[in-house]
Amino acid sequence: DTGVSQNPRHKITKRGQNVTFRCDPISEHNRLYWYRQTLGQGPEFLTYFQNEAQLEKSRLLSDRFSAERPKGSFSTLEIQRTEQGDSAMYLCASSHTPDSYNEQFFGPGTRLTVL
Amino acid sequence: DAKTTQPNSMESNEEEPVHLPCNHSTISGTDYIHWYRQLPSQGPEYVIHGLTSNVNNRMASLAIAEDRKSSTLILHRATLRDAAVYYCILRDEFGNEKLTFGTGTRLTIIP
Repeated sequence: DTGVSQNPRHKITKRGQNVTFRCDPISEHNRLYWYRQTLGQGPEFLTYFQNEAQLEKSRLLSDRFSAERPKGSFSTLEIQRTEQGDSAMYLCASSHTPDSYNEQFFGPGTRLTVL
Repeated sequence: DAKTTQPNSMESNEEEPVHLPCNHSTISGTDYIHWYRQLPSQGPEYVIHGLTSNVNNRMASLAIAEDRKSSTLILHRATLRDAAVYYCILRDEFGNEKLTFGTGTRLTIIP
């Protein structure tokens, strides 16, 4: 297992288009997180899953954003009707319970550019 | 979430120790102090965490003030590969799943 993987690594789209990103966590990690990072800022939490259940969503996650983790393994993050303000790095992380302070392992991110 | 304050940037010479400070005056008794770092063009990676006692691992040491209102991440012998943004994060022991990143400290290593 080589760690958390994300695809694609880069995505350029036109405003108004829909995009979908995929995250494959470390196997047997039952928690999966999505973060967004804009230039010069630290990552901001978007949402997290425990197995297939989405347990928390940030107010940053507008109605245009949806995340799924259908079988408790990989996850997808979809952005509908993209806007230029959605341009950012989208990071995925995974961790293993039960330790609530267990470290999160991050993927390399998907960089989205909305033209 | 309790807030942390870090210098925006620091510089250090290669092969010298680096002390990265973090202030967290509103820390609660159940907050763990975590440090992550983000190398250029990569996702963040865990460095170390602690509660009250000083901690050491293969990457770094964490010195925690007695009143827990500040902490210092210590890199004992900085290399060029340690150039990164370092984030000090407070994380509640009980169920706070998300990591709340600030803007961190950008560490530059001078060859």
